[in-house]
Amino acid sequence: GAGVSQTPSNKVTEKGKYVELRCDPISGHTALYWYRQSLGQGPEFLIYFQGTGAADDSGLPNDRFFAVRPEGSVSTLKIQRTERGDSAVYLCASSLWQGANAFFGQGTRLTVV
Amino acid sequence: AQTVTQSQPEMSVQEAETVTLSCTYDTSENNYYLFWYKQPPSRQMILVIRQEAYKQQNATENRFSVNFQKAAKSFSLKISDSQLGDTAMYFCAFMKIMYSGGGADGLTFGKGTHLIIQP
Repeated sequence: GAGVSQTPSNKVTEKGKYVELRCDPISGHTALYWYRQSLGQGPEFLIYFQGTGAADDSGLPNDRFFAVRPEGSVSTLKIQRTERGDSAVYLCASSLWQGANAFFGQGTRLTVV
Repeated sequence: AQTVTQSQPEMSVQEAETVTLSCTYDTSENNYYLFWYKQPPSRQMILVIRQEAYKQQNATENRFSVNFQKAAKSFSLKISDSQLGDTAMYFCAFMKIMYSGGGADGLTFGKGTHLIIQP
């Protein structure tokens, strides 16, 4: 597609449930990033993929968060046993290579009730 | 670790005026990139301008320009002839340059400045 696509746009889930957030990057972009943006804050880095591998997952807050990118294109961010504190906008970005201009999707607003 | 500070939570100017958004950062790195991103209510982050730290010349993109002071670790954004469509959150961001065999990193963002352009 022309831009980075994220689905769903909005997700409401109950505390304790499992959720998956999807990111479809720009075709040909090898670098893919996930960020989390809480209300009134700037985005915070979660994880960076170079190709299929997670090159840096130091931003994942705990082991309830996991992300995959099995074929080096689409990525899925998975959150187990969701908590109300996980409520935020989750942003995905892709770039041709690490350091190239990153293009962002419109994010998924996750609300845990 | 890097930190990015935006000391102006909100700014408001009249249409056609010039406005400057401030940003300071702290790093021990010598080679890095600096960015300004715009985030309208649609949530999508849009790249406004980019600066490579090794370049002395300040980056410009049409009405947008930066004042990059490496020694002072300052990276301000100037918007000339401001337009109503410039109303948005503006985020300053830092990325260190990773070399082959090194680790990897994403963008470190400031908390943002809400810019309002008044008609």
